[in-house]
Amino acid sequence: EADIYQTPRYLVIGTGKKITLECSQTMGHDKMYWYQQDPGMELHLIHYSYGVNSTEKGDLSSESTVSRIRTEHFPLTLESARPSHTSQYLCASSELVGAQETQYFGPGTRLLVL
Amino acid sequence: GDSVTQMEGPVTLSEEAFLTINCTYTATGYPSLFWYVQYPGEGLQLLLKATKADDKGSNKGFEATYRKETTSFHLEKGSVQVSDSAVYFCALTGGYQKVTFGIGTKLQVIP
Repeated sequence: EADIYQTPRYLVIGTGKKITLECSQTMGHDKMYWYQQDPGMELHLIHYSYGVNSTEKGDLSSESTVSRIRTEHFPLTLESARPSHTSQYLCASSELVGAQETQYFGPGTRLLVL
Repeated sequence: GDSVTQMEGPVTLSEEAFLTINCTYTATGYPSLFWYVQYPGEGLQLLLKATKADDKGSNKGFEATYRKETTSFHLEKGSVQVSDSAVYFCALTGGYQKVTFGIGTKLQVIP
């Protein structure tokens, strides 16, 4: 059973506001990810991290930024929210056993920007 | 690069019907294969996985067999329930430890 948490679960905010989506895991996993999930369900990787002080951009360009100061914490920040940022954001961390990686997901944050 | 192709939904079945959701993949090396399930309003949960050819993953009545010869990992369940209504994602971890997801298949089970 994976222990990965996201807050808030739901957020409604006005255009131009700065927001931070929190993600924490208690499993000591080095790799962490942020996905954006559109209404058509497909997942798009926007950021990932190999460990502390490592951050990489994913396949989908995003105006958000991330940081990784502690192993267990991987927050995502939008400096100025816009309606186009409305989406569901999923955080994940992965367990690596040999060469085999298994991802575990948080419950998601559903963001609505007005 | 790696890719996962799964059947598009939505799939609508009556309760107790047999379920198959097709998934095929292309990958370098020897990928691990996964099925994830996403219930409404929640994140993805790992449903089952298989790490090498001919392995069968199983959980909660769902099964999938890693078929290297047909590069497939089809999800099956003998008798679906209303509570199985969800979106199902096929995924693989390939040679560079990158996770690739399919587009997701929505399953609706009606009483």
